Amino acid sequence: GAGVSQSPRYKVAKRGQDVALRCDPISGHVSLFWYQQALGQGPEFLTYFQNEAQLDKSGLPSDRFFAERPEGSVSTLKIQRTQQEDSAVYLCASSPRGASSYNEQFFGPGTRLTVL
Amino acid sequence: AQSVSQHNHHVILSEAASLELGCNYSYGGTVNLFWYVQYPGQHLQLLLKYFSGDPLVKGIKGFEAEFIKSKFSFNLRKPSVQWSDTAEYFCAVNAGGGADGLTFGKGTHLIIQP
Repeated sequence: GAGVSQSPRYKVAKRGQDVALRCDPISGHVSLFWYQQALGQGPEFLTYFQNEAQLDKSGLPSDRFFAERPEGSVSTLKIQRTQQEDSAVYLCASSPRGASSYNEQFFGPGTRLTVL
Repeated sequence: AQSVSQHNHHVILSEAASLELGCNYSYGGTVNLFWYVQYPGQHLQLLLKYFSGDPLVKGIKGFEAEFIKSKFSFNLRKPSVQWSDTAEYFCAVNAGGGADGLTFGKGTHLIIQP
């Protein structure tokens, strides 16, 4: 079966442009997470969905960042008016169950965003 | 808030050497603990995890880790490393109960020389 997929794999944006990053989780997975990984750092949590509900967005760094998962499967992370400090790898992860019990997160390959 | 500290950012070993990567976390409650590995050009993969029970957990590829609650530590070990173990290793923690995202350390870049 397919794992978590993300597109595009690489994105170059000019400062001030809007970008949209897509995540396709493993089919049937209830939970979906977004992380931001800056160069030389570990991933940092951005937001979490259980099905279509965004249960935690405490890690989103500013109101320029917005995530959605309208049908409880595919998710999009949107960054408006990109800044150079947004340059990072954006990772998506999914897990099979919801918040009632912990389970392993499966990570996608990430989208490397470079803002010029 | 949780935090994770990995003591070694870069480690270079020869094949067959023993490995221990340090990980300490800061959180007062029940935690779930993980080690993830990222091989060159690949995505993050789970190496092993601790939820409860036996504090010595065994993972894939001969890795193991020991949870020492009194020291807030979850060090990763392997008795004899191979060249193919060259990778980035991340320790991560999640509050018990499971809904939170993972908090990762900064990672340890391990290079195994043949």
